[in-house]
Amino acid sequence: DQQVKQNSPSLSVQEGRISILNCDYTNSMFDYFLWYKKYPAEGPTFLISISSIKDKNEDGRFTVFLNKSAKHLSLHIVPSQPGDSAVYFCAAIAGTALIFGKGTTLSVSS
Amino acid sequence: GAVVSQHPSRVICKSGTSVKIECRSLDFQATTMFWYRQFPKQSLMLMATSNEGSKATYEQGVEKDKFLINHASLTLSTLTVTSAHPEDSSFYICSATTLPANEQFFGPGTRLTVL
Repeated sequence: DQQVKQNSPSLSVQEGRISILNCDYTNSMFDYFLWYKKYPAEGPTFLISISSIKDKNEDGRFTVFLNKSAKHLSLHIVPSQPGDSAVYFCAAIAGTALIFGKGTTLSVSS
Repeated sequence: GAVVSQHPSRVICKSGTSVKIECRSLDFQATTMFWYRQFPKQSLMLMATSNEGSKATYEQGVEKDKFLINHASLTLSTLTVTSAHPEDSSFYICSATTLPANEQFFGPGTRLTVL
C-alpha cells in the first residue's frame, strides 16, 4: 500500500504561470517531507523540504505547503520556467530512509 | 552540496552474469547508504539500507542473495546483481547520508540492461 501518493502523473503549464504539484500521505507518523526534481537517467536533486511543525516553507520560486489534518502537501512553482520541466517526487522520511511517491512529470511550455 | 558518484553509469550484460555497481561519496563520509530501484514511470523503490561495517537491511520483497550489498568503507558501497535476468533491467540509484535522512545526497544512477 502506497504511503506517499502523487495522483497526477503529469502536469502541463505555460511559462510564467504557477505550477502546483500535489502529494498525499497516509502515515500520520511522517514528520518531514521533501521534494526532489529528477531528469531522465539522472539521480534526483533536492529541491525543498518542510517539517511537520510548519505549514509553509519558501525558497525563491518554490513554496511547499503542508496541511497535516488533510495529510496533504503541495509544491508551488511561480513563475514556472521551461527549465522546470522534469519529474517531481514527493518523499517522506520514515526512520532513516525516504519513501517516495510515483512522481509527477511537469512540462512547462514557452 | 555533497557529491555522490556511481559507476558505471550504464551497463549491458548477458543473462546469467553478475554486475557490480559502485556508489561513492566523494567529499564526505557516509555512515549510511541507500540503494533504490526505479522502473519506468514509477517511484524510486528503496531496496536496502547499508551501514558501514554491518550487514545491509533489505526491504520486504528484495532478495538479499540476488542483490548483494557491501559497505566496506565510509565512502564506498557496492551493489552486485547476481545471475542477472532481463527482469532485473532497471535504473539503480544510490544515496549517501551522514544522517538525518533529510540530508541524503543521490548519485546519478546506473542504467542496467540485461539481455
